[in-house]
Amino acid sequence: EPEVTQTPSHQVTQMGQEVILRCVPISNHLYFYWYRQILGQKVEFLVSFYNNEISEKSEIFDDQFSVERPDGSNFTLKIRSTKLEDSAMYFCASSGEGLKNQPQHFGDGTRLSIL
Amino acid sequence: GQQVMQIPQYQHVQEGEDFTTYCNSSTTLSNIQWYKQRPGGHPVFLIQLVKSGEVKKQKRLTFQFGEAKKNSSLHITATQTTDVGTYFCAGPGKAAGNKLTFGGGTRVLVKP
Repeated sequence: EPEVTQTPSHQVTQMGQEVILRCVPISNHLYFYWYRQILGQKVEFLVSFYNNEISEKSEIFDDQFSVERPDGSNFTLKIRSTKLEDSAMYFCASSGEGLKNQPQHFGDGTRLSIL
Repeated sequence: GQQVMQIPQYQHVQEGEDFTTYCNSSTTLSNIQWYKQRPGGHPVFLIQLVKSGEVKKQKRLTFQFGEAKKNSSLHITATQTTDVGTYFCAGPGKAAGNKLTFGGGTRVLVKP
């Protein structure tokens, strides 16, 4: 069964440094997402991406965050200047063959630790 | 903004017993989705309910969508150790972005 893959599985970064989290969504999906989950808490929406542009973002997704689909397969989340509170598990997800509200398929996540 | 709440936050269940977890949205939903997250894992889609009053079953799991499309429940019968994990309900937003708003989850612990 096709999967969403994320790399790296764990990223340790000094506060203030830039970090790029990478994702390869399921190949025929058209909607891509980033969510984060602080340890022991609920999954929080960050951003959705469709047709090569951001379609929706949350208040968490401020100017320090950006997303890109640099080629036909990768989908990246960049945090420009990391803060301690950015420490969390970051999940990439993808959905749909063009339809709204389809189930979302999540990757295994990247655990981001900011020191 | 839209809020999705779940109770209970924790559910300790004796193996073989039944339990129910409840989900409530502050707004009417076009559909509700349920996900399961095993410890250390990622959310895995279980089911989607679309129609008012809809009931769907997956083996020992029964999912229900309320008549007003603002609440949902998950009932598990004869709990097994494989049911351990956190069960999240999630509702889509109204904007075009397909965002899911997750509830806080019910963390299920099974006592053998």
